[in-house]
Amino acid sequence: GAGVSQTPSNKVTEKGKYVELRCDPISGHTALYWYRQSLGQGPEFLIYFQGTGAADDSGLPNDRFFAVRPEGSVSTLKIQRTERGDSAVYLCASSLSGDAAYEQYFGPGTRLTVT
Amino acid sequence: AQSVTQLGSHVSVSEGALVLLRCNYSSSVPPYLFWYVQYPNQGLQLLLKYTTGATLVKGINGFEAEFKKSETSFHLTKPSAHMSDAAEYFCAVRGGATNKLIFGTGTLLAVQP
Repeated sequence: GAGVSQTPSNKVTEKGKYVELRCDPISGHTALYWYRQSLGQGPEFLIYFQGTGAADDSGLPNDRFFAVRPEGSVSTLKIQRTERGDSAVYLCASSLSGDAAYEQYFGPGTRLTVT
Repeated sequence: AQSVTQLGSHVSVSEGALVLLRCNYSSSVPPYLFWYVQYPNQGLQLLLKYTTGATLVKGINGFEAEFKKSETSFHLTKPSAHMSDAAEYFCAVRGGATNKLIFGTGTLLAVQP
């Protein structure tokens, strides 16, 4: 079946602009995660959705970052007033609930470059 | 709090040689541990996981890892390296009830012919 998809695959934007990154999880997966991977680092957790609600947003670095999942499927990560330090690969992952909840499936990521 | 340390950011082995990638963890609760592989320009793929039960876990592509509580380790091994194993490998621990993952900084594996 189809895996997690993310669009766009690459995004170049100017400092100060607003960007939206989209994630389509695996069908039927109720849990959705966003991570950020900077060059030479492992992924860092940003936010977790269970259904439509953000159950844990402790990883969001500041209030310029926001994410939504209005219908419990597709999620959008929104970054306002982008800064050069926001340049990274943004990864989305999804999982089932219950006993398999810890097994996350990752998308290919969106590479964001802020110039 | 949970954390992961991967020793060796770069490891190089010859084709056919043993692969050993090191991971040590810190966890205030019984850990769930994972190894992921990332090929260039691709997403993370789960290699194997430890949750409970048997401490030696086998994964895809001939990889295995052993959970050693006394050493707080979860090292990844493969008896014989193949050129296609060249990739970056990440160890991760579950970061609490929300199942968020805490990753190490990764180990880039190079396989020499």
